Amino acid sequence: GDSVTQTEGLVTLTKGLPVMLNCTYQTTYSPFLFWYVQHLNEAPKLLLKSSTDNKRTEHQGFYATLHKSSSSFHLQKSSVQLSDSALYFCALSDGAGGYKVVFGSGTRLLVSP
Amino acid sequence: ETAVFQTPNYHVTQVGNEVSFNCKQTLGHDTMYWYKQDSKKLLKIMFSYNNKQLIVNETVPRRFSPQSSDKAHLNLRIKSVEPEDSAVYLCASRSGGDTQYFGPGTRLLVL
Repeated sequence: GDSVTQTEGLVTLTKGLPVMLNCTYQTTYSPFLFWYVQHLNEAPKLLLKSSTDNKRTEHQGFYATLHKSSSSFHLQKSSVQLSDSALYFCALSDGAGGYKVVFGSGTRLLVSP
Repeated sequence: ETAVFQTPNYHVTQVGNEVSFNCKQTLGHDTMYWYKQDSKKLLKIMFSYNNKQLIVNETVPRRFSPQSSDKAHLNLRIKSVEPEDSAVYLCASRSGGDTQYFGPGTRLLVL
């Protein structure tokens, strides 16, 4: 079945440094990938999404590129801020309009001063 | 205000009791979901409804049953709660652009 793998459970960084959170997936459908961010005691919110191969998508300083050849959708930011401390989920939908959604296990990002 | 609303925020109950959670969305979406987020923060889809019809029913115990009166409402009933049901239950609705909008969640504690 479909799956999403996030290899890092916890990433700790100092403010101002770059970050990359890994996300790889497996599916037999045309993939629709998402990054959701969940701050402490809040609901997950969409950060960015893509279904277009090799096209960079950006939002709030974060960016990601869907690479179908390597089944990856890594999340990056060039300079993290304290407010970026949160739980980040990569998610896969079974195609545009698909009803099934699979979430990765999440990566907690902790940014220190 | 358009959003996803859930009640109650928090519920404490004992093993064997029945509980019900409510979810309402005012976003005009056709598709709604129930997710379970456990203590390790893992998010797992439980059910998906499209316009009152059950579309996705993941492997969940039979004591869980979703109910939808119309496309804006999706409730969840747990017939006889077990300790492992302690979790945060998140309701979400989905736009045509596939983005999911989550409610604030209902935290269930089973003693």
